[in-house]
Amino acid sequence: AQKVTQAQTEISVVEKEDVTLDCVYETRDTTYYLFWYKQPPSGELVFLIRRNSFDEQNEISGRYSWNFQKSTSSFNFTITASQVVDSAVYFCARLDTGRRALTFGSGTRLQVQP
Amino acid sequence: NAGVTQTPKFRVLKTGQSMTLLCAQDMNHEYMYWYRQDPGMGLRLIHYSVGEGTTAKGEVPDGYNVSRLKKQNFLLGLESAAPSQTSVYFCASAGTSGDTDTQYFGPGTRLTVL
Repeated sequence: AQKVTQAQTEISVVEKEDVTLDCVYETRDTTYYLFWYKQPPSGELVFLIRRNSFDEQNEISGRYSWNFQKSTSSFNFTITASQVVDSAVYFCARLDTGRRALTFGSGTRLQVQP
Repeated sequence: NAGVTQTPKFRVLKTGQSMTLLCAQDMNHEYMYWYRQDPGMGLRLIHYSVGEGTTAKGEVPDGYNVSRLKKQNFLLGLESAAPSQTSVYFCASAGTSGDTDTQYFGPGTRLTVL
């Protein structure tokens, strides 16, 4: 199975710190899609970003930014000036192009302390 | 638009009982999925459907059945519940145009099997 690895199980930071969540993926596909989802304490899964393998430009959305590097098979997520509302579990996922279903990493729990 | 809805939100079963989880989406999406989430793990694919009248097995299909009689609904059945099926179940849907393959999730169903 082509895995998605989020090695950081839990990260704790103080508000206003920057934090980077790591994601490493395996794939044999030439074209593939990567995703990040946020799961706040309320439990729902919130879509954050989708990235295509042929677009290696980094993306920024407000305090969120994503660094996609095919050479290291990584798709890391950085939150700048973290806030308490950022406290959640964050999942990285890769699209299985056969089933068109997602393979998830095990998630990183981020706790932002006030 | 309600997006993806799941019924019920919570359920407690005794071993051997049966139940059906209902997922409904109003986005006219072709693809629908059932995942389960267990502590410390990412979501794992149970079954999926690429269109009305079609279903296929995912990563962990044993003990579950599904049906997609209408495009907007995807049902997950447990014929004889076991304690190992205690989990949070998420339904998701994805379209084939626009933001293709971006999966949108329902709020989840927390199932406990005693």
